[in-house]
Amino acid sequence: EIVMTQSPAALSVSQGDRVTLSCRASQRVSPSELAWYQQKPGQAPRLLIHATSVRATEIPARFTGSGSGTDFTLTISSLQSEDFATYYCQQSEDLWTFGQGTRVEV
Amino acid sequence: QITLKESGPTLVKPTQTLTLTCTFSGFSLSTPGLGVVWLRQPPGKALEWLALLYWDDDARYSPSLRGRVTITRATSGNRVVLTMTDMDPADTATYFCARKNRFRSFDYWGQGAPVTVSS
Repeated sequence: EIVMTQSPAALSVSQGDRVTLSCRASQRVSPSELAWYQQKPGQAPRLLIHATSVRATEIPARFTGSGSGTDFTLTISSLQSEDFATYYCQQSEDLWTFGQGTRVEV
Repeated sequence: QITLKESGPTLVKPTQTLTLTCTFSGFSLSTPGLGVVWLRQPPGKALEWLALLYWDDDARYSPSLRGRVTITRATSGNRVVLTMTDMDPADTATYFCARKNRFRSFDYWGQGAPVTVSS
């Protein structure tokens, strides 16, 4: 099983900040097999990024994904109020596994 | 418009079998590359993928739950059924179904169905 480790577990930020979230895989993950999701309390997750860097439908350009091999990053260029949420990375190289999430909070 | 919705019991007793139904619309599960998945999220914890049904009825299961979980297409309607045997309080969670797109990510989700396992 590929284990996904996200860091940090929580991040205190302010609106307008540039935010960088990290995700490390225990084995190499192909670029096409890495996705990011956003989840707000009481809601289902929402797909943000697939194939490492491709934004899903209607996802704002302030969300950028990058990385390769075992290290991947989600960057929010200028945090908006609606971006306070928990973010999960997911690999689909070998079945599907998620990281433990990074909570972005005030 | 693509929608998915989970339905099933909110409370089950330990050792019982859980049956959840995902009813979807706006896409066909016969379309190559698509699938329907089940996931769960214990209170305050991370997402866990449970099972996937492909468009051709091939299925994949989480190794940690293999033997307890079955995913099938219902005989009528756009529905996918998850059964999980020998339920334990540790299985208490919100259960989600979602669509797997051709890129192997999950692009549409149901609202989630809370399930509590307690005697």
